[in-house]
Amino acid sequence: DQQVKQNSPSLSVQEGRISILNCDYTNSMFDYFLWYKKYPAEGPTFLISISSIKDKNEDGRFTVFLNKSAKHLSLHIVPSQPGDSAVYFCAASSYNTDKLIFGTGTRLQVFP
Amino acid sequence: KAGVTQTPRYLIKTRGQQVTLSCSPISGHRSVSWYQQTPGQGLQFLFEYFSETQRNKGNFPGRFSGRQFSNSRSEMNVSTLELGDSALYLCASSREGSTDTQYFGPGTRLTVL
Repeated sequence: DQQVKQNSPSLSVQEGRISILNCDYTNSMFDYFLWYKKYPAEGPTFLISISSIKDKNEDGRFTVFLNKSAKHLSLHIVPSQPGDSAVYFCAASSYNTDKLIFGTGTRLQVFP
Repeated sequence: KAGVTQTPRYLIKTRGQQVTLSCSPISGHRSVSWYQQTPGQGLQFLFEYFSETQRNKGNFPGRFSGRQFSNSRSEMNVSTLELGDSALYLCASSREGSTDTQYFGPGTRLTVL
């Protein structure tokens, strides 16, 4: 049972435009959410996180939005750059388990 | 500060064999987690070790085991390999656990023939 879902396996966006990556979760106990970015032949790198007490967190070009009632989070990248082309994983954890559950990833391609 | 290192980077084994993968965390990090990445399944949590004790475990069969040494280095062992075990195995270290920022190693690509 996939508790964290990324329903779009791939996304293609033009350079300079907004990239929106989506993630849905089923476990209402999740209270901490993260986004990781992965390039080929490298391990994932942490991008941005959000606690369930917030609905938005911003870091430079990256903004994560959390809609708890819909059990949905999204990552916005503005403006998108070719170097953003990678696989993006969302992950969630709950305070009582302290283990990260990852989604299946979305491959983002930013073209010139 | 040196990053997380994993050895070996690539492995080819045959069904029925066993394999041991190694992970050296960032200095000062006490938590090491292991993940399996396969196409279509994303990153699946295997287990987490903290101060030489397994603190969390994912839904994998007992063929998958691990341990952590006093210097926080960790090993993962898979016995009686199956074709479906072919995957990228990633370890991640953090100071205290999953909700800290985890730093991932480059992974070990295991191919089972």
